Amino acid sequence: EADIYQTPRYLVIGTGKKITLECSQTMGHDKMYWYQQDPGMELHLIHYSYGVNSTEKGDLSSESTVSRIRTEHFPLTLESARPSHTSQYLCASSDPGTYDEQYFGPGTRLTVT
Amino acid sequence: AQRVTQPEKLLSVFKGAPVELKCNYSYSGSPELFWYVQYSRQRLQLLLRHISRESIKGFTADLNKGETSFHLKKPFAQEEDSAMYYCALRGDTGNQFYFGTGTSLTVIP
Repeated sequence: EADIYQTPRYLVIGTGKKITLECSQTMGHDKMYWYQQDPGMELHLIHYSYGVNSTEKGDLSSESTVSRIRTEHFPLTLESARPSHTSQYLCASSDPGTYDEQYFGPGTRLTVT
Repeated sequence: AQRVTQPEKLLSVFKGAPVELKCNYSYSGSPELFWYVQYSRQRLQLLLRHISRESIKGFTADLNKGETSFHLKKPFAQEEDSAMYYCALRGDTGNQFYFGTGTSLTVIP
Protein backbone atom coordinates (compact mmCIF):
# COMPACT_ATOMS: atom_id res chain seq x y z
CA GLU A 1 0.00 0.00 0.00
CA ALA A 2 1.34 3.44 -0.91
CA ASP A 3 2.26 5.26 2.25
CA ILE A 4 4.82 7.41 4.02
CA TYR A 5 6.62 6.02 7.05
CA GLN A 6 8.61 7.57 9.84
CA THR A 7 10.75 5.85 12.45
CA PRO A 8 11.11 6.04 15.33
CA ARG A 9 7.76 7.44 16.43
CA TYR A 10 9.18 8.53 19.78
CA LEU A 11 12.79 9.09 20.77
CA VAL A 12 14.30 10.22 24.06
CA ILE A 13 18.02 10.77 23.85
CA GLY A 14 20.80 12.49 25.76
CA THR A 15 22.60 15.67 24.79
CA GLY A 16 25.48 15.24 22.37
CA LYS A 17 24.22 12.06 20.73
CA LYS A 18 24.00 11.70 16.97
CA ILE A 19 20.54 10.79 15.73
CA THR A 20 18.93 9.99 12.42
CA LEU A 21 15.20 10.25 11.84
CA GLU A 22 14.04 7.99 9.06
CA CYS A 23 11.44 8.82 6.43
CA SER A 24 10.42 6.59 3.55
CA GLN A 25 7.58 6.77 1.06
CA THR A 26 6.23 4.27 -1.41
CA MET A 27 4.16 6.75 -3.40
CA GLY A 28 6.79 7.40 -6.03
CA HIS A 29 6.81 11.12 -5.24
CA ASP A 30 9.84 13.16 -6.27
CA LYS A 31 9.31 15.95 -3.74
CA MET A 32 9.84 15.38 -0.04
CA TYR A 33 9.86 17.69 2.97
CA TRP A 34 10.80 17.89 6.65
CA TYR A 35 8.80 20.09 9.00
CA GLN A 36 9.45 20.94 12.62
CA GLN A 37 6.56 21.70 14.94
CA ASP A 38 6.72 22.86 18.54
CA PRO A 39 3.53 22.48 20.63
CA GLY A 40 0.91 25.08 19.73
CA MET A 41 3.08 26.52 16.98
CA GLU A 42 3.18 26.47 13.20
CA LEU A 43 4.74 23.76 11.15
CA HIS A 44 8.03 25.16 9.90
CA LEU A 45 9.72 23.81 6.81
CA ILE A 46 13.33 22.95 7.58
CA HIS A 47 14.36 20.94 4.49
CA TYR A 48 12.96 19.88 1.12
CA SER A 49 14.06 17.89 -1.86
CA TYR A 50 13.04 17.96 -5.53
CA GLY A 51 14.44 14.52 -6.17
CA VAL A 52 17.53 12.36 -5.89
CA ASN A 53 20.68 14.33 -4.98
CA SER A 54 18.66 17.53 -4.57
CA THR A 55 18.18 19.11 -1.14
CA GLU A 56 17.38 22.65 -0.04
CA LYS A 57 17.00 24.38 3.29
CA GLY A 58 13.63 25.76 4.28
CA ASP A 59 12.88 29.10 5.88
CA LEU A 60 13.49 27.88 9.42
CA SER A 61 17.16 27.57 10.17
CA SER A 62 18.03 24.13 11.43
CA GLU A 63 21.21 22.43 12.57
CA SER A 64 20.01 19.21 11.00
CA THR A 65 21.12 17.83 7.66
CA VAL A 66 19.35 15.65 5.10
CA SER A 67 20.27 13.41 2.22
CA ARG A 68 18.38 12.04 -0.78
CA ILE A 69 20.22 9.15 -2.32
CA ARG A 70 17.09 7.22 -3.24
CA THR A 71 13.72 8.58 -4.31
CA GLU A 72 11.89 6.84 -1.53
CA HIS A 73 14.23 7.70 1.35
CA PHE A 74 14.81 11.11 2.98
CA PRO A 75 16.56 10.78 6.36
CA LEU A 76 17.25 13.71 8.69
CA THR A 77 20.37 13.74 10.87
CA LEU A 78 21.39 15.70 13.93
CA GLU A 79 25.12 15.32 14.56
CA SER A 80 24.93 16.43 18.18
CA ALA A 81 21.51 16.61 19.76
CA ARG A 82 20.70 19.43 22.17
CA PRO A 83 17.62 20.16 24.32
CA SER A 84 16.65 22.94 21.89
CA HIS A 85 16.09 20.22 19.27
CA THR A 86 13.21 18.80 21.30
CA SER A 87 10.23 18.99 18.97
CA GLN A 88 7.98 17.02 16.65
CA TYR A 89 9.40 16.31 13.21
CA LEU A 90 7.01 15.64 10.34
CA CYS A 91 8.03 14.20 6.99
CA ALA A 92 5.89 14.74 3.90
CA SER A 93 5.92 14.04 0.19
CA SER A 94 3.94 15.63 -2.59
CA ASP A 95 2.59 15.04 -6.04
CA PRO A 96 2.85 18.01 -8.45
CA GLY A 97 -0.16 16.64 -10.27
CA THR A 98 -2.38 17.57 -7.31
CA TYR A 99 -0.94 21.04 -6.65
CA ASP A 100 1.72 19.48 -4.44
CA GLU A 101 -0.79 18.20 -1.93
CA GLN A 102 1.30 17.27 1.10
CA TYR A 103 1.08 13.66 2.30
CA PHE A 104 2.31 13.53 5.86
CA GLY A 105 3.91 10.77 7.83
CA PRO A 106 2.91 10.04 11.43
CA GLY A 107 5.74 12.15 12.85
CA THR A 108 8.65 11.59 15.24
CA ARG A 109 8.47 13.17 18.67
CA LEU A 110 12.04 13.86 19.78
CA THR A 111 13.04 14.70 23.34
CA VAL A 112 16.63 15.59 24.11
CA THR A 113 17.52 15.49 27.79
CA ALA B 1 6.82 38.23 3.74
CA GLN B 2 4.61 35.22 3.37
CA ARG B 3 2.58 34.44 6.45
CA VAL B 4 -0.59 32.69 7.55
CA THR B 5 -2.51 33.78 10.63
CA GLN B 6 -5.15 31.78 12.43
CA PRO B 7 -6.36 34.03 15.25
CA GLU B 8 -8.25 31.37 17.19
CA LYS B 9 -6.31 28.60 18.93
CA LEU B 10 -9.49 27.07 20.33
CA LEU B 11 -13.06 27.11 19.02
CA SER B 12 -16.08 25.35 20.48
CA VAL B 13 -19.49 25.12 18.86
CA PHE B 14 -22.59 23.06 19.50
CA LYS B 15 -23.59 20.26 17.18
CA GLY B 16 -25.77 21.60 14.40
CA ALA B 17 -24.50 25.17 14.75
CA PRO B 18 -22.58 26.91 11.98
CA VAL B 19 -18.83 27.02 12.27
CA GLU B 20 -16.24 29.35 10.78
CA LEU B 21 -12.50 28.93 11.23
CA LYS B 22 -10.61 32.07 10.34
CA CYS B 23 -7.49 32.29 8.21
CA ASN B 24 -5.73 35.41 7.00
CA TYR B 25 -2.68 35.46 4.81
CA SER B 26 0.04 37.80 3.73
CA TYR B 27 1.29 37.30 0.18
CA SER B 28 2.20 39.62 -2.65
CA GLY B 29 1.29 37.41 -5.58
CA SER B 30 -1.64 35.21 -6.48
CA PRO B 31 -2.01 32.85 -3.51
CA GLU B 32 -2.60 29.14 -3.44
CA LEU B 33 -4.34 28.26 -0.21
CA PHE B 34 -5.22 25.02 1.50
CA TRP B 35 -6.89 23.70 4.61
CA TYR B 36 -5.38 20.68 6.34
CA VAL B 37 -7.00 18.72 9.15
CA GLN B 38 -5.69 16.42 11.83
CA TYR B 39 -8.21 14.19 13.60
CA SER B 40 -7.34 12.64 16.94
CA ARG B 41 -4.57 10.04 16.59
CA GLN B 42 -4.46 10.49 12.82
CA ARG B 43 -2.06 12.17 10.47
CA LEU B 44 -2.29 15.63 9.07
CA GLN B 45 -4.19 15.44 5.79
CA LEU B 46 -5.52 17.75 3.11
CA LEU B 47 -9.12 18.87 3.59
CA LEU B 48 -9.54 21.18 0.64
CA ARG B 49 -7.70 23.56 -1.70
CA HIS B 50 -9.08 26.85 -2.91
CA ILE B 51 -8.26 26.28 -6.55
CA SER B 52 -10.58 23.29 -6.72
CA ARG B 53 -13.52 25.26 -5.33
CA GLU B 54 -14.80 22.07 -3.78
CA SER B 55 -16.85 21.14 -0.76
CA ILE B 56 -15.41 18.38 1.38
CA LYS B 57 -17.34 16.89 4.31
CA GLY B 58 -19.65 19.89 4.08
CA PHE B 59 -16.81 22.37 4.46
CA THR B 60 -16.19 25.20 2.01
CA ALA B 61 -13.64 27.98 1.90
CA ASP B 62 -13.74 31.08 -0.24
CA LEU B 63 -10.69 33.09 -1.12
CA ASN B 64 -11.27 36.80 -0.48
CA LYS B 65 -8.34 38.68 -1.97
CA GLY B 66 -9.61 42.04 -0.76
CA GLU B 67 -9.59 40.90 2.85
CA THR B 68 -6.71 38.44 2.30
CA SER B 69 -8.77 35.76 3.96
CA PHE B 70 -9.56 32.10 3.38
CA HIS B 71 -12.02 31.23 6.11
CA LEU B 72 -13.31 27.67 6.44
CA LYS B 73 -17.05 27.30 6.92
CA LYS B 74 -19.63 24.63 7.55
CA PRO B 75 -23.32 25.36 8.04
CA PHE B 76 -24.04 22.53 10.51
CA ALA B 77 -21.21 21.21 12.65
CA GLN B 78 -21.01 17.51 13.46
CA GLU B 79 -19.22 15.82 16.35
CA GLU B 80 -16.84 14.11 13.94
CA ASP B 81 -15.63 17.55 12.82
CA SER B 82 -13.76 17.92 16.09
CA ALA B 83 -10.12 18.16 15.05
CA MET B 84 -7.15 20.46 14.59
CA TYR B 85 -7.37 22.60 11.45
CA TYR B 86 -4.42 24.27 9.73
CA CYS B 87 -4.54 26.86 7.00
CA ALA B 88 -1.60 26.75 4.58
CA LEU B 89 -0.20 28.96 1.84
CA ARG B 90 1.96 27.72 -1.00
CA GLY B 91 4.89 30.07 -1.48
CA ASP B 92 6.51 31.78 -4.45
CA THR B 93 8.70 28.95 -5.56
CA GLY B 94 5.90 26.43 -5.29
CA ASN B 95 8.12 24.29 -3.13
CA GLN B 96 7.44 25.83 0.25
CA PHE B 97 4.26 25.73 2.26
CA TYR B 98 3.55 28.13 5.11
CA PHE B 99 1.24 26.86 7.82
CA GLY B 100 -0.72 28.72 10.46
CA THR B 101 -0.63 27.79 14.13
CA GLY B 102 -3.85 25.83 13.82
CA THR B 103 -7.30 26.00 15.39
CA SER B 104 -8.57 23.23 17.62
CA LEU B 105 -12.28 22.77 16.93
CA THR B 106 -14.50 21.03 19.46
CA VAL B 107 -18.09 20.24 18.55
CA ILE B 108 -20.18 19.87 21.68
CA PRO B 109 -22.91 17.21 21.48
